[in-house]
Amino acid sequence: AQTVTQSQPEMSVQEAETVTLSCTYDTSENNYYLFWYKQPPSRQMILVIRQEAYKQQNATENRFSVNFQKAAKSFSLKISDSQLGDTAMYFCAFDSNYQLIWGAGTKLIIKP
Amino acid sequence: GAVVSQHPSRVICKSGTSVKIECRSLDFQATTMFWYRQFPKKSLMLMATSNEGSKATYEQGVEKDKFLINHASLTLSTLTVTSAHPEDSSFYICSASLLQQANEKLFFGSGTQLSVL
Repeated sequence: AQTVTQSQPEMSVQEAETVTLSCTYDTSENNYYLFWYKQPPSRQMILVIRQEAYKQQNATENRFSVNFQKAAKSFSLKISDSQLGDTAMYFCAFDSNYQLIWGAGTKLIIKP
Repeated sequence: GAVVSQHPSRVICKSGTSVKIECRSLDFQATTMFWYRQFPKKSLMLMATSNEGSKATYEQGVEKDKFLINHASLTLSTLTVTSAHPEDSSFYICSASLLQQANEKLFFGSGTQLSVL
């Protein structure tokens, strides 16, 4: 079975610090997509970043970047210069045959 | 970016009544829409995949007669919770796909908090 594991239920860091959220997944597929979604207290699900498995280059979106290790099936999210608005639940997701498989989420708290 | 509108954002109903939740893609045509359920502090659970003009595909364990899904047009899908009971209380989220390959471009509604008394 394909699974997504987020081993950190909750993390907190000071504003302006860098934080890394971990995600591992299990699949036998070779081509797929990986995603990080953010769900703030408003509960609106927002796409943070997306990685295509066939691309070796790590995806980057402003302060957000990923460390994609295909062989290790690891897909961590790094948030640089963290801001109070980054406080949210973060979900890692894997695209399997056009359905998303979700991790359990990491609650990230940015402290002022 | 593409917008998915979901209404209502919050609904309270009596046990035994039915509740309809709408999901609209405002500026694009969505061939495929997804309905999720999210329990407090938990991840999203896919309930069903809805394709325009055809019957929805339900995930294992989801009662199709309980959760009626209609996708009558390329911009509207509805989820009706029939004969709601307190255990149906949850946060329901829809998402719409911009492309045939569903997850390349996926946009989420803002969710509906259903409380059944």
